[in-house]
Amino acid sequence: GEQVEQLPSSLIVQEGASVLINCSYTDSASVYFPWYKQEPGKRLQFIIDIRSNMERKQTQRLTLLFDKKTKHLSLHITATQPGDSAIYFCSAISGGNYKPTFGKGTSLVVHP
Amino acid sequence: GALVYQYPRRTICKSGTSMRMECQAVGFQATSVAWYRQSPQKTFELIALSTVNSAIKYEQNFTQEKFPISHPNLSFSSMTVLNAYLEDRGLYLCGARRDWLQNTLYFGAGTRLSVL
Repeated sequence: GEQVEQLPSSLIVQEGASVLINCSYTDSASVYFPWYKQEPGKRLQFIIDIRSNMERKQTQRLTLLFDKKTKHLSLHITATQPGDSAIYFCSAISGGNYKPTFGKGTSLVVHP
Repeated sequence: GALVYQYPRRTICKSGTSMRMECQAVGFQATSVAWYRQSPQKTFELIALSTVNSAIKYEQNFTQEKFPISHPNLSFSSMTVLNAYLEDRGLYLCGARRDWLQNTLYFGAGTRLSVL
């Protein structure tokens, strides 16, 4: 089945820095890639997504890049704020069989 | 907006007993509900995917006999952990899919299960 890998597992930065979270998947049938953010004690919150027919998607301080050939995604967060501190999860969903698979998450800590 | 509520938020049960957790979609109809268990290391395990009017699909290592799920309508799903033991501890998350055209899951805050 699908496997999703995320790197790094953790990031610690100062406020204002930019960060990059990498995600790779194995199943070429995966066509949809939503990302979620989980703050301590709070529910998973959808933040951005991309489909396999796109290469880039941007919303405010988030930019998501997708490379279908290498089965790789990267989430770029600019001008980080302490409120961005959370665990970020990449997920992959197959086009034929709806079964969201999650990565192990990247813990981001932004110091003021 | 689309919200998903899970109840209870926390529960403690004795080893060998069972507990039921509920998932309620508010403001939308949940065509599919995915139940996950999140480990202390934050890893997600998909337990099963439940679609209204369709058979519930359990993942490897999870069975209906251990985690029976009910999905009687488009706003409610429940899952029971039968004969809970230490290895069943974790945060159980319910993710609801809004409709067939949307692939994003809306998650509840989870039910944290502790087993004594």
